[in-house]
Amino acid sequence: QKEVEQDPGPLSVPEGAIVSLNCTYSNSAFQYFMWYRQYSRKGPELLMYTYSSGNKEDGRFTAQVDKSSKYISLFIRDSQPSDSATYLCAMSPNTGNQFYFGTGTSLTVIP
Amino acid sequence: DAGVIQSPRHEVTEMGQEVTLRCKPISGHNSLFWYRQTMMRGLELLIYFNNNVPIDDSGMPEDRFSAKMPNASFSTLKIQPSEPRDSAVYFCASNFGTGNYGYTFGSGTRLTVV
Repeated sequence: QKEVEQDPGPLSVPEGAIVSLNCTYSNSAFQYFMWYRQYSRKGPELLMYTYSSGNKEDGRFTAQVDKSSKYISLFIRDSQPSDSATYLCAMSPNTGNQFYFGTGTSLTVIP
Repeated sequence: DAGVIQSPRHEVTEMGQEVTLRCKPISGHNSLFWYRQTMMRGLELLIYFNNNVPIDDSGMPEDRFSAKMPNASFSTLKIQPSEPRDSAVYFCASNFGTGNYGYTFGSGTRLTVV
């Protein structure tokens, strides 16, 4: 079993829809959770960063962490065609500096 | 800041040849990471350095792969001899080693071994 599981999609939604992206994990030591966005033929870029459980909001993006269920989510409100990309979750335990990545979910927002 | 700089952007080589990928981390970042990305396996950590010292190389697939960081502003990943199954996008990333900050990735090197 991989440390981090993520549905690869692809996910296709109409412009303006609410998008929900999810990851599950097996290591209860994970404390730091991130979402990266990767456009085609580019490197991943950090989108959201959360520590431990709870919600964090940044504009149209909301990250949720449920440590009891070992489940994290990224919500995108009012999705735009420019949100079309691959979204990767990443997480790390409370020591060390290594992040474990999901395989990414491919999202297409149709105008 | 120009970000993490990788070269070359694309590399096509024949099986058996030596390949060297290069990375310049962000100035002031003291941790550097080499990742490989494929459709099947996603992002895989190959090796990471802290203050120019290799900390964990357990992800390096085999002895054909080697990485060096001779100073704080430069790192190389070498594959010798290269094989078709090494074809992938190789990313370099850097961050501040203390605390769990996110990485800044380079744009990657797309390697094709024919």
